[in-house]
Amino acid sequence: GQQVMQIPQYQHVQEGEDFTTYCNSSTTLSNIQWYKQRPGGHPVFLIQLVKSGEVKKQKRLTFQFGEAKKNSSLHITATQTTDVGTYFCAGPRGGKLIFGQGTELSVKP
Amino acid sequence: DAGVIQSPRHEVTEMGQEVTLRCKPISGHNSLFWYRQTMMRGLELLIYFNNNVPIDDSGMPEDRFSAKMPNASFSTLKIQPSEPRDSAVYFCASSLASNYEQYFGPGTRLTVT
Repeated sequence: GQQVMQIPQYQHVQEGEDFTTYCNSSTTLSNIQWYKQRPGGHPVFLIQLVKSGEVKKQKRLTFQFGEAKKNSSLHITATQTTDVGTYFCAGPRGGKLIFGQGTELSVKP
Repeated sequence: DAGVIQSPRHEVTEMGQEVTLRCKPISGHNSLFWYRQTMMRGLELLIYFNNNVPIDDSGMPEDRFSAKMPNASFSTLKIQPSEPRDSAVYFCASSLASNYEQYFGPGTRLTVT
């Protein structure tokens, strides 16, 4: 079945450093969604990318969707302690979302 | 909008007891999803409904788990009998339609001793 793989599983950075998480699907996706889950919280929808090669920005966050619509990335510039949490990508398949394993980001002040 | 509402927020029960988790989706959303999250297995989809009809329950672990959606504003996930390995955070999420962005509830943290 379809799989969505995310790397790395964990990332520890110093505040101010950049951070990137990568998402790869075994099949072409109609869209890719990104979610953030703060420690002790629930996943919160961040953004959806639909077009091949699409790039979207939300302040310090940059999201990309690959040309083949099988991979995506989330890049955070100059991380802050408020960025701490687990970032999930998710792709639709058969009416449901297939979530990646998530990348847990910790930021040292 | 109040968002997705789940109750209880925390549940501690003894092995063998019945557990019922409740969810109220966002008004107007036609799809509802039940997830389980653990450190070991991550976020797992258990079952989802479209227009109150169960579509895919392939993620339900075993017959001890059952889910219902009697109307558009209410769903339950029942575990009977509960076992210690069922301990996890259970999330309910809703969306306008399947494949759309999902809105998660705060979750129910279940501990089975």
